[in-house]
Amino acid sequence: EIVMTQSPATLSVSPGERATLSCRASQSVSSNLAWYQQKPGQAPRLLIFGASTRATGIPARFSGSGSGTEFTLTISSLQSEDFAVYYCQQYNNWPRTFGQGTKVEIK
Amino acid sequence: EVQLVESGGGLVKPGGSLRLSCAASGFTFSTYSMNWVRQPPGKGLEWVSSISSSSDYIYYADSVKGRFTISRDNAKNSLYLQMNSLRAEDTAVYYCAKKGGSGFYFDYWGQGSLLTVSS
Repeated sequence: EIVMTQSPATLSVSPGERATLSCRASQSVSSNLAWYQQKPGQAPRLLIFGASTRATGIPARFSGSGSGTEFTLTISSLQSEDFAVYYCQQYNNWPRTFGQGTKVEIK
Repeated sequence: EVQLVESGGGLVKPGGSLRLSCAASGFTFSTYSMNWVRQPPGKGLEWVSSISSSSDYIYYADSVKGRFTISRDNAKNSLYLQMNSLRAEDTAVYYCAKKGGSGFYFDYWGQGSLLTVSS
């Protein structure tokens, strides 16, 4: 099983600042990596797939990069609606696995 | 508009059974693999099971293998999860999720159905 490790667990950021979230895979997943955003009481929402392709309707301030084992989600200028938990997920191997999440909170 | 609506959750005693359903609309259900993902209260996401468009390929997480059965009815645009021998650690919100168009990510999710396993 591929273990996905996200860091940091919690990120405190002021509105308008840049946030950088990391996701590391225990073995290569090529570019088969997705990012999701989840707000309290809501289902996850797909942000990024293929490591760097934004999903439909996702603002350009969200960007993804990386391949192999190291991935990054960057939110260029945090808006109030971006404070949430973010998960990465690999879909290169079975079982599909998620990271434990990074909570982005208001500083 | 893609819609996924789960139903069937509730309170079950350990060792009991329950079946979750997911009604899909807004896309050609019969052409997409479908999935169940769960989230224990206050914790992260865990993939549970996947089924291909024609039910030819089925996968399970080790944690549910032998106890859970995924199935689908393409004529009814519905996905199911039969859960047997339930344990306290199966307590979670269960999400139905559609496979993405260009990879096995999850592009649409239902609102979730809560299963509580407790005596």
